[in-house]
Amino acid sequence: DARVTQTPRHKVTEMGQEVTMRCQPILGHNTVFWYRQTMMQGLELLAYFRNRAPLDDSGMPKDRFSAEMPDATLATLKIQPSEPRDSAVYFCASGLQTDYGYTFGSGTRLTVV
Amino acid sequence: QKEVEQDPGPLSVPEGAIVSLNCTYSNSAFQYFMWYRQYSRKGPELLMYTYSSGNKEDGRFTAQVDKSSKYISLFIRDSQPSDSATYLCASYSGNTPLVFGKGTRLSVIA
Repeated sequence: DARVTQTPRHKVTEMGQEVTMRCQPILGHNTVFWYRQTMMQGLELLAYFRNRAPLDDSGMPKDRFSAEMPDATLATLKIQPSEPRDSAVYFCASGLQTDYGYTFGSGTRLTVV
Repeated sequence: QKEVEQDPGPLSVPEGAIVSLNCTYSNSAFQYFMWYRQYSRKGPELLMYTYSSGNKEDGRFTAQVDKSSKYISLFIRDSQPSDSATYLCASYSGNTPLVFGKGTRLSVIA
């Protein structure tokens, strides 16, 4: 079964530290999404890429978050500096432009203390 | 107001019951409607999708969309303990990413 791989699965860090989350999308999928899930807000779109080009990152706090796709097999989400309010589960998902629905990874559970 | 609204529950039903999960949406441009299932500590997985109004059936699951009232429903027949999960509805217009509801947490008690 093809799947989206996210690392690390869990991350505990101190406020002010840099956090990098990685995602390996399904081979052949040309669209990659970053979502954040919290109890209060549910799943919120942070950014997405098509054919490695960023299409929309309006959901991200620009001063501290950045998302990149250095190549077709890797997407990264970076937070610098991290804050306690960034504590959430971060999901990466990938899909085909013409497909219905996306395949989600298992998420990175981030705790900032 | 979020574009997709969903009652978070939790919803608890006995095994074998019929479950009805519902969402409303506000964006008239939405044409694709999906249901995702999310088990604890896992990522959401696509359960069903429908295009425009109408019904779609897959085994014990039926998805229903009424575009005139902007109402999305998922029915689960003969519910099983293995159906216990959070169910998320999602919609999009085809040119933009999925917009999700907050999810309804369902427990099916044996």
